[in-house]
Amino acid sequence: KNEVEQSPQNLTAQEGEFITINCSYSVGISALHWLQQHPGGGIVSLFMLSSGKKKHGRLIATINIQEKHSSLHITASHPRDSAVYICAVRWAGNTDKLIFGTGTRLQVFP
Amino acid sequence: GAVVSQHPSWVICKSGTSVKIECRSLDFQATTMFWYRQFPKQSLMLMATSNEGSKATYEQGVEKDKFLINHASLTLSTLTVTSAHPEDSSFYICSASDGLNYEQYFGPGTRLTVT
Repeated sequence: KNEVEQSPQNLTAQEGEFITINCSYSVGISALHWLQQHPGGGIVSLFMLSSGKKKHGRLIATINIQEKHSSLHITASHPRDSAVYICAVRWAGNTDKLIFGTGTRLQVFP
Repeated sequence: GAVVSQHPSWVICKSGTSVKIECRSLDFQATTMFWYRQFPKQSLMLMATSNEGSKATYEQGVEKDKFLINHASLTLSTLTVTSAHPEDSSFYICSASDGLNYEQYFGPGTRLTVT
């Protein structure tokens, strides 16, 4: 069993739809990252959070530390949101390494 | 701010040769840099962690004599793939941390193809 699991693995949506990607983890963490990887390969850090909720534009990330669960929401999805979204956690006992989920491949069609 | 660059963005080399990949933090000092490898449709796999001025810490199963990592300054780390084989073909990504928070800033990646 992976320490970080994401669901769904693949997701297709029509432009304008509300998207939710889930991440569950089994270890104690100090922070959780949501990353975006476009087809070209470059990775962009979307959020880093250790509690509560963060919002940036159409993106919202929430985390529930007690339930060891985080969600990434995309409102009013757009084809340019098509990418792989990766959840990564930093162990509470280790301030350096990230443990990555396997990613969620999102395709948004016009 | 917090930009990390990698060079080259892609490289093709012949089997048996060595290839050097550079990772630079452009607008901050990176106390720690991380090197990852990614196979197609798989997630990132940490290869090693390097701190400026000290030897890199390699993950289990990563050959340190094959993947030489140098972090000579606070803005530059290099990964050298020595005696490359076709199975070393992969996407290599670096990230950098300034040590002030838990954030990691990722480079755009380098696609290596060994023929």
